[in-house]
Amino acid sequence: DTEVTQTPKHLVMGMTNKKSLKCEQHMGHRAMYWYKQKAKKPPELMFVYSYEKLSINESVPSRFSPECPNSSLLNLHLHALQPEDSALYLCASSQERRNRPLHFGNGTRLTVT
Amino acid sequence: RKEVEQDPGPFNVPEGATVAFNCTYSNSASQSFFWYRQDCRKEPKLLMSVYSSGNEDGRFTAQLNRASQYISLLIRDSKLSDSATYLCVVTPSGTASKLTFGTGTRLQVTL
Repeated sequence: DTEVTQTPKHLVMGMTNKKSLKCEQHMGHRAMYWYKQKAKKPPELMFVYSYEKLSINESVPSRFSPECPNSSLLNLHLHALQPEDSALYLCASSQERRNRPLHFGNGTRLTVT
Repeated sequence: RKEVEQDPGPFNVPEGATVAFNCTYSNSASQSFFWYRQDCRKEPKLLMSVYSSGNEDGRFTAQLNRASQYISLLIRDSKLSDSATYLCVVTPSGTASKLTFGTGTRLQVTL
C-alpha cells in the first residue's frame, strides 16, 4: 500500500470544467511534487513544494495551479485543460535532504474530452 | 545528449536468467542515484538507492561508476514478477528537489 494517497483515481473532464486533484501524505515529508506522465514516457516534473512554499515550477501552463494548504496536503487545480493534457498525474513526497528518494502516490488518470 | 539515458529495450529473458541494465548520466555533479520499478499503468516504486560502494538487496545489485558516469542494475534469477519498466533516476544537485528520470528499460521475463 502506498503511503501517499491521491484522489480521484480516475477523472474525465471537459475543456471548460474546473476540477482539482488531491494528494495527502503523513510521513512528515516536507517536499511534495507533482509529476505528469504520458504513456511510455518517464514522469515529467511539474511543481515542487518545499516546506509548503513553491520552489520549482517547470514552466507549467497556468491552466495548472498547485496549492499546498499544509505540510500533508497538495492540490492541483485544473481549469480549461486541453485534450493533450490527458495523462497520469503523480504526486510524490520526500524528505528535504540529500539522497532521499521520492515516494509516489497511485496517481490520477486524467482524460480531457 | 540527454541528461539520463537508458536502453529502452525490451529485454526478453527466460525465467532464472541474469540480466543487467545500464544507465548513463551527463551531469558529473550528480549526487543521488536510484532505481525505480514501474508496472504498466501504475506508479513508480523505489527499488533501491545506489551507493558509491555498490549495494545489494536480495537478487538485485546496483553499482555506481562515477568515472564513467553510469549506474547499473543486475537482476539474478529473474522471476516472471520482475517484468516491468526499470527507471534510472538521478539527482544533480544533492537535494531531493529535481530528480531526473531516464526513459526506462522494459524487461519481460518469460517461461
